[in-house]
Amino acid sequence: EVQVLESGGGLIQPGGSLRLSCAASGFTVSTYAMNWVRQAPGKGLEWVSVIGGSGGDTYYADSVKGRFTISRDNSKNTVYLQMNSLRDEDTAVYYCAKDRPSNTDYVPDGFDVWGQGTMVTVSS
Amino acid sequence: DIQMTQSPSSLSASVGDRVTITCRASQGISNSLAWYQQKPGKAPKLLLYAESTLESGVPSRFSGSGSGTDYTLTISSLQPEDFATYYCQQYYSTPLTFGPGTKVDIK
Repeated sequence: EVQVLESGGGLIQPGGSLRLSCAASGFTVSTYAMNWVRQAPGKGLEWVSVIGGSGGDTYYADSVKGRFTISRDNSKNTVYLQMNSLRDEDTAVYYCAKDRPSNTDYVPDGFDVWGQGTMVTVSS
Repeated sequence: DIQMTQSPSSLSASVGDRVTITCRASQGISNSLAWYQQKPGKAPKLLLYAESTLESGVPSRFSGSGSGTDYTLTISSLQPEDFATYYCQQYYSTPLTFGPGTKVDIK
């Protein structure tokens, strides 16, 4: 079965750092673009970042650029989101989501597999 | 960045009703549009991509149409399990953006 499982969320003080993990099974993360999407409590969906293509191109939302870094470990079939300089407004459920088609080069598409999400709370 | 809007923001409907949700992009997105359904406490679920292609396993009562900047999601006969929030998403260019959502609840 194709699935992803997020972990690493928790309570962190403003200015702190956290690393989220997204472990994939049933497919290889190096052959699909992988995204992070977040949802603040009671709010809508916000795309955060993507790592895609065999070259691992990365893209970020302006709201996290320079603070968050997406990466992947092909040997562990896992994608990560390193979050630094966290702010109150980063509080959200963070979802890992797989792009629908497999592409050598990154071509954006819909997200067909989502994890259950991991909660990140930034608060003093 | 491409801004996405949806209308209405919420609607009340009855089982069996035909429901239409509209999504508008701030610039043309060449049918690079997906629709998702989200139920409370759950992850979003892909319903359609490429504006009108039904994801595997999604009931045929869901359909999509549109072009350029304007797109619609139609549920032909609303079922009890369809009460949820629906989001459109453009993937024409990064940053990828979602609409604010349309909540469909029971009349």
